[in-house]
Amino acid sequence: QSALTQPASVSGSPGQSITISCTGTSSDVGRYKYVSWYQLHPGKAPKLILYYVTNRPSGVSDRFSGSKSGTTASLYISGLQTEDEADYYCSSYTSSNKWAFGGGTRLTVL
Amino acid sequence: EVQLVESGGGLVQPGGSLRLSCTASGFAFSRNDMHWVRLTAGRGLEWVSTIGAADDAYYLDSVEGRFTVSRENAKNSVSLQMNSLRVGDTAVYYCAKDVEGAFGIWGQGTVVTVSS
Repeated sequence: QSALTQPASVSGSPGQSITISCTGTSSDVGRYKYVSWYQLHPGKAPKLILYYVTNRPSGVSDRFSGSKSGTTASLYISGLQTEDEADYYCSSYTSSNKWAFGGGTRLTVL
Repeated sequence: EVQLVESGGGLVQPGGSLRLSCTASGFAFSRNDMHWVRLTAGRGLEWVSTIGAADDAYYLDSVEGRFTVSRENAKNSVSLQMNSLRVGDTAVYYCAKDVEGAFGIWGQGTVVTVSS
């Protein structure tokens, strides 16, 4: 399976907004709405922050939002806070009854 | 409260076997798809396997034929039998409950180290 493509790193200052892209193919991101995003802090289990492209689980801040256009999904984080500094991964269901992840993006809050 | 607890990780030599287990609580286990996902140092998060509520199973290409996922609904548990382990299988292994095609709830993970 091919991994989805994410930028290796992004950065922003507290209060700013950032976008992380996730590019797939017509067999995954481009075909299904089962696109999700995860936040990883060192030493902790991954946390689901968005599912079905735009849905936030209970308890996740509304500063996190998502969208999808064609074969690219995006995660938006507004009003950056220091606790947002983490690794972020996208994932998509694929036409092979499998799931693919992106390579991960390190967010640095300057 | 929904909770997942993994166990069974450890140090094993290349070619060896391990059996991971994940015990669930706080939800209707038998009605949910369950996943195994691993976090590796070089590849980040990687989906490994899924077992559906109907016992249908799916695998990452590189583990197909070596890993077998199973579930025991009476014990609210899902297992991952890992045979012919390779150095590249070294990772933290998590089980996760499906939420609308996403990995919604995660366990704390169990560490698997494959090394001679």
